[in-house]
Amino acid sequence: AQSVTQLDSQVPVFEEAPVELRCNYSSSVSVYLFWYVQYPNQGLQLLLKYLSGSTLVKGINGFEAEFNKSQTSFHLRKPSVHISDTAEYFCAAMDTGRRALTFGSGTRLQVQP
Amino acid sequence: GAGVSQSPSNKVTEKGKDVELRCDPISGHTALYWYRQSLGQGLEFLIYFQGNSAPDKSGLPSDRFSAERTGGSVSTLTIQRTQQEDSAVYLCASSGGLAGAGTGELFFGEGSRLTVL
Repeated sequence: AQSVTQLDSQVPVFEEAPVELRCNYSSSVSVYLFWYVQYPNQGLQLLLKYLSGSTLVKGINGFEAEFNKSQTSFHLRKPSVHISDTAEYFCAAMDTGRRALTFGSGTRLQVQP
Repeated sequence: GAGVSQSPSNKVTEKGKDVELRCDPISGHTALYWYRQSLGQGLEFLIYFQGNSAPDKSGLPSDRFSAERTGGSVSTLTIQRTQQEDSAVYLCASSGGLAGAGTGELFFGEGSRLTVL
């Protein structure tokens, strides 16, 4: 079964600084990868996804992620964060043959002024 | 409605009671998922329905948990003889799938917060 690891439970960062949220998944022949965001008191929403093609994926709100098959990673990045980016970020993976989506434990991004 | 609807939004129950949580997915979505989100933890997969196929129940934590999906639409998650460790937010999501026009994106409801006293 697929497993997803988010090593950082919390990431504090100052406004306008760059940020990287790390995600590693267990090796699989074929996998789809996702980042979801959960703003305070809101439901989860999709930030970006990798299904195939270019390994650099751009999402909403200026976020991007890079699929690295050799390192089984899908790290999320943003060059300059805003206070409004404060939220919980979840990485998720789906084995193409199984369809059930496995989530990591989440990373709380805290943007400070 | 336009989104995934879950009810009740909040449920407080006594240990040992049974509870039912309902999910109304987006119309036309063939896939439906249940997850559990405990305080300070990630999303724990519970069960997945896809069309008329047998559900993937591999995430259900015990035989006290069950779920059904009637007519390929509304789903009910039932927890029998609730325990305090069942306290969590139960999230439902639906998806159009990955085939055809589907993107694999899951659309989540706002969850049902269960508190077992």
